[in-house]
Amino acid sequence: GAVVSQHPSWVICKSGTSVKIECRSLDFQATTMFWYRQFPKQSLMLMATSNEGSKATYEQGVEKDKFLINHASLTLSTLTVTSAHPEDSSFYICSARSGRAWNEQFFGPGTRLTVL
Amino acid sequence: GDSVTQMEGPVTLSEEAFLTINCTYTATGYPSLFWYVQYPGEGLQLLLKATKADDKGSNKGFEATYRKETTSFHLEKGSVQVSDSAVYFCALAGKSTFGDGTTLTVKP
Repeated sequence: GAVVSQHPSWVICKSGTSVKIECRSLDFQATTMFWYRQFPKQSLMLMATSNEGSKATYEQGVEKDKFLINHASLTLSTLTVTSAHPEDSSFYICSARSGRAWNEQFFGPGTRLTVL
Repeated sequence: GDSVTQMEGPVTLSEEAFLTINCTYTATGYPSLFWYVQYPGEGLQLLLKATKADDKGSNKGFEATYRKETTSFHLEKGSVQVSDSAVYFCALAGKSTFGDGTTLTVKP
């Protein structure tokens, strides 16, 4: 149980375009979802925390107008990278936490974004 | 604030060698502790966890004991395999404060 999916698994886009990444909890309701960014050979950097039905809480240094997060339902959160640039190229990982397993996160497989 | 300090890598071992990856933490209270594993090109998978002091988490031959006295949660495995090659992350509960990750390479 506790499966989290991400779509797409990889995406290549042109500089200046916007890209949407979906994160879904498949077999549980996710009261909270997290978005992370991971650079090559580095740890995960928490970008933002989203709770269903409310605005996301962004970590310091993360541009909320550039990285739009929407948590419209208990099973879906989306991250939109607006006006993407090559420096936004990275591995984006989401995770979800249910109300029952409050202290455990379940991770998606990640999305590789390459901006040309 | 909360933080995790993880043994620096990379770590290279021969098959069947003993593995230890050190992890110490700083936190308010006694949060749950986790080890995650990330295989190349994939997301994170929970390897094991411990929710209170003296708990031992175990999975796939890996073990870690929650040591309150030393604020540690070291990962161990008695005999590593090539398939264990991956990046290992120690983490605290809550927002999941992560260590920097330790890359393990096991050679046949």
